[in-house]
Parts: sequence; structure tokens; C-alpha cells
Amino acid sequence: EAQVTQNPRYLITVTGKKLTVTCSQNMNHEYMSWYRQDPGLGLRQIYYSMNVEATDKGDVPEGYKVSRKEKRNFPLILESPSPNQTSLYFCASSPGLAGRETQYFGPGTRLLVL
Amino acid sequence: AQSVTQLGSHVSVSEGALVLLRCNYSSSVPPYLFWYVQYPNQGLQLLLKYTSAATLVKGINGFEAEFKKSETSFHLTKPSAHMSDAAEYFCAVSEGTGFQKLVFGTGTRLLVSP
Repeated sequence: EAQVTQNPRYLITVTGKKLTVTCSQNMNHEYMSWYRQDPGLGLRQIYYSMNVEATDKGDVPEGYKVSRKEKRNFPLILESPSPNQTSLYFCASSPGLAGRETQYFGPGTRLLVL
Repeated sequence: AQSVTQLGSHVSVSEGALVLLRCNYSSSVPPYLFWYVQYPNQGLQLLLKYTSAATLVKGINGFEAEFKKSETSFHLTKPSAHMSDAAEYFCAVSEGTGFQKLVFGTGTRLLVSP
């Protein structure tokens, strides 16, 4: 089944404790992206990647890191989480540019930073 | 910069009634436009997209949207609401000529009552 998977689905952590949210897709898509969803703000892009070893900042990259060492994986790293990073996070992939192609979203990771 | 405005954070309809969700965009170049739907506790999935072919776009589950350049609008409609349509709906516009990113609206939650 074609899908985007994220782990974990739910995470509670404390300020400053490094964490990684994994994202994997099995559709051989070149483009991957991370979004955060906050009430009243919609989805805002954190980082995106157009291929292996090619990443770029989205609209709200502060406090986040990403890497793309393999085509299928695109982990999101919070090196020192803060309470304002409490949010719902989505990973997405598409066969081409996100502004032109259909994006396929993962189920989301709900993060609470205390 | 491109932007999207969704009028009404919540829209309530009765089952069988017309659904109309409003989306206005701003773009300095011919845009690609998308509607995505998010069911409770799930990721987003594509409803339909406009890619400069036909101005009336048909999507899944009986939804359609009409691109009106003169009004810079891309409103989503469905003739008869079903209980299963209750979800959050996001309009999105491609950003710039590079099509590297999507800009999402803040979302409209559709409530369907029996």
C-alpha cells in the first residue's frame, strides 16, 4: 500500500530534550516536506527537500533540523524543544514540486513540550 | 507573495443542503490551486486541484470547485451534504513560478447536522 508513515504518533517531552520524528514514504517520491498545524494558522511549512541531500527552509524553520540521506526517509529533528513547538506535525511527499503535484500526507505526530 | 483567505472558520449545514466553502487567493502569476480535506485524526488528502486546464474542476466525493480569475476565487461546492463530509477543508495556492511550495489557508471546519 502506498503510504507515508510517521513515528511516533504521539509524544510528550520536556523542554530541551532532543527528539526526532521519523518520516518514511514507499512511493519513490522525490519531494518531501514537513508542516506544522496550529489552530487558526492552518499548515505552515517547516522544511522541504527536493531530493537526496537537497533541503531548504520553509516558512517556520527556526528550532528545527532535517536531513535527507535516503530518498524514502526525511526525519525532523528538534535539538532543544521548547513549549512553542507544541503542535501537530505532518510529513508529506509528492512525485514532483509541491506547488504542482498532489502531496500525500502522513497521519500526523502530536507533540507536547512541557 | 502568494496568500489564501478562507472565509469562515466554521460552516454548518444540514444533511442534504448545499455546501459552499469560500477561498480567495492572491498570486502574481497564474496559480495552481488545491483543496485538501482532513478527516478527524487523519492526515490531509487531496480533494481536487486546478492546473490551468478546465476552470470547473471535479474532485472526489461529489465536490467541485470553479476557478474565477476575475474574482480571484476558488470556492468549493457540493450539491448535497452528507454526514461523512464533516471534516476540515484547506485551500492552498502554489507559491511563485517555481512551484516549490504550497501556501495553505487557515482551514474551514464543516459541520453537518442530521
